[in-house]
Amino acid sequence: NAGVTQTPKFRVLKTGQSMTLLCAQDMNHEYMYWYRQDPGMGLRLIHYSVGEGTTAKGEVPDGYNVSRLKKQNFLLGLESAAPSQTSVYFCASSRSLNTEAFFGQGTRLTVV
Amino acid sequence: EDQVTQSPEALRLQEGESSSLNCSYTVSGLRGLFWYRQDPGKGPEFLFTLYSAGEEKEKERLKATLTKKESFLHITAPKPEDSATYLCAVQAYNFNKFYFGSGTKLNVKP
Repeated sequence: NAGVTQTPKFRVLKTGQSMTLLCAQDMNHEYMYWYRQDPGMGLRLIHYSVGEGTTAKGEVPDGYNVSRLKKQNFLLGLESAAPSQTSVYFCASSRSLNTEAFFGQGTRLTVV
Repeated sequence: EDQVTQSPEALRLQEGESSSLNCSYTVSGLRGLFWYRQDPGKGPEFLFTLYSAGEEKEKERLKATLTKKESFLHITAPKPEDSATYLCAVQAYNFNKFYFGSGTKLNVKP
């Protein structure tokens, strides 16, 4: 039972570098999400997707891009990393709009 | 302004000592309220969804309730394995407004 799998689990970037975080789900869910979690601030929605080929902005989209070329995968890109993007990133998926979301284990990203 | 506030930030209980966690929310049009449990170094794990005031749901030692302004997560006779951070999330009818509270860190001592 893989559920939602995120890669990598840890990453250190230098300011200005780019990287892509990969999220894969095996539950055939239509909806997928990217969140960031910072101490004392809770989870904040970055981008989400309501189906293959679609993406939409969440609460804090600036500095990030996403793509959903296949239903099971949702990619989060950082084109030019900044120290403010140091955070733990979680991917999640859900069957429909107002059903529970299943989360991955998270990616801890440090930008120096 | 839409927001979700959880209290207390941290809670220490003795094993068997029942208590409640609070999630207060202000949102224009509630689609649903979700409770999650998060263990250190892991992603949130779903517990309950509540959709309308008066609704209640139970699972083992946990019971979630909902009013028009807040939700409570009642923990009855907790055990050390209930120690975790409990997150509340509110979804508004405008979908891109999905708010998580900052959580309550629960520590249950044997």
